[in-house]
Amino acid sequence: EVQLLESGGGLVQPGRSLRLSCAASGFIFDDFAMYWVRQPPGKGLEWVAGISYDGGSIGYADSVKGRFTISRDNAKKSLYLQMSSLGIEDTALYYCGRDPGLNWNDEGGLDYWGRGTQVTVSS
Amino acid sequence: SYELTQPPSVSVSPGQTARITCSGDALPRKYAYWYQQKSGRAPALVIYEDSKRPSGIPERFSGSSSGTMATLTISGAQVEDEADYYCYSTDSSGNYKVFGTGTKVTVL
Repeated sequence: EVQLLESGGGLVQPGRSLRLSCAASGFIFDDFAMYWVRQPPGKGLEWVAGISYDGGSIGYADSVKGRFTISRDNAKKSLYLQMSSLGIEDTALYYCGRDPGLNWNDEGGLDYWGRGTQVTVSS
Repeated sequence: SYELTQPPSVSVSPGQTARITCSGDALPRKYAYWYQQKSGRAPALVIYEDSKRPSGIPERFSGSSSGTMATLTISGAQVEDEADYYCYSTDSSGNYKVFGTGTKVTVL
């Protein structure tokens, strides 16, 4: 059974940093591209970042480019999101998701999602 | 930036057909995906590559795409289909993924 388990969320002050993790199980992690998607309270879904199966290709939404870094460790079957210069607008539930293909910039969608980890940016 | 536009809400009676549209300039060239999100839950894939249904998704869910519009159809909607629905696709450059604005489906 495919499982994705996010962790690392919490309450953080504006301007600070936070690192999210996503532990994968039930599939061959290094055969799939991965994503981060977020959802502010009461609002819709926003694609944040994608990474190819080997980490060789990465893409970001304009809203996080230059502040967030997506990465993966295939040996640990884990996906990460390093977030810096956090602002109130980054408050959201952050999901990790799997793409059925190798490359995030192919036309695949997300076929499996985790349950999310909450990030709250507040002073 | 690229946008996918959906109606904010659709309301139907049980057994009726619900249609949710998603409008985007790149849809003639890019696949649409559809996600169902029930209250307090993570999204779940219900349609991929415009019209394909993942295993386990009821046959009453179907998808189509024509020109700049993709459509999710729920034929014979059930009360348990009440949820928010989001389309998802890629912009023309392939460098950005985008979710639609979301549609709240009410079945009552």
